[in-house]
Amino acid sequence: AQTVTQSQPEMSVQEAETVTLSCTYDTSESDYYLFWYKQPPSRQMILVIRQEAYKQQNATENRFSVNFQKAAKSFSLKISDSQLGDAAMYFCAYRSHIQGAQKLVFGQGTRLTINP
Amino acid sequence: EAQVTQNPRYLITVTGKKLTVTCSQNMNHEYMSWYRQDPGLGLRQIYYSMNVEATDKGDVPEGYKVSRKEKRNFPLILESPSPNQTSLYFCASSFGQGFFNEQFFGPGTRLTVL
Repeated sequence: AQTVTQSQPEMSVQEAETVTLSCTYDTSESDYYLFWYKQPPSRQMILVIRQEAYKQQNATENRFSVNFQKAAKSFSLKISDSQLGDAAMYFCAYRSHIQGAQKLVFGQGTRLTINP
Repeated sequence: EAQVTQNPRYLITVTGKKLTVTCSQNMNHEYMSWYRQDPGLGLRQIYYSMNVEATDKGDVPEGYKVSRKEKRNFPLILESPSPNQTSLYFCASSFGQGFFNEQFFGPGTRLTVL
């Protein structure tokens, strides 16, 4: 079974600075998908960024980018120019590429605080 | 507006009193799923459904039931709730296979079982 680990329960960063959230995972599959979700105080789950394992190029969405290291099974999220609205719980998630597989396996979450 | 709705958003109940949390999506998605979120554990899948009348257990199905009689609805049933089912519950849906088939989440239901 796949597992996802986020080893940083809490992180804080100064507004406008850059912060990196860590995520590691364990799988025996060679192809899969990885995601970062944001959960603000409203509790809504918001997809931030996604990566296909067979793609070498790291995904980027505006101020959000990932560092995907397939051999190390690492998938970190970098937030540049942090804004107060980035304060939230962030979850890393894994999804199998197997036909019909839709289950997301989540990490424990990292609570990000932005200091003004 | 494309969305997943859940009701109720908040519920406080007592041990043993049967309850149902409804989930509905208006995107004609085949796949629907229930997750529970607990501090330090992230979200874990309870049950999922690949289509009408096709449901299966996720990772933490004990104490829960589901049904999928219509494509749009996927209710979560707690026949005899216990305090360890106090949690934040999310319903999610997607078209099914594929990278671009993003899972859409409902707003969450905060359940407290006394």
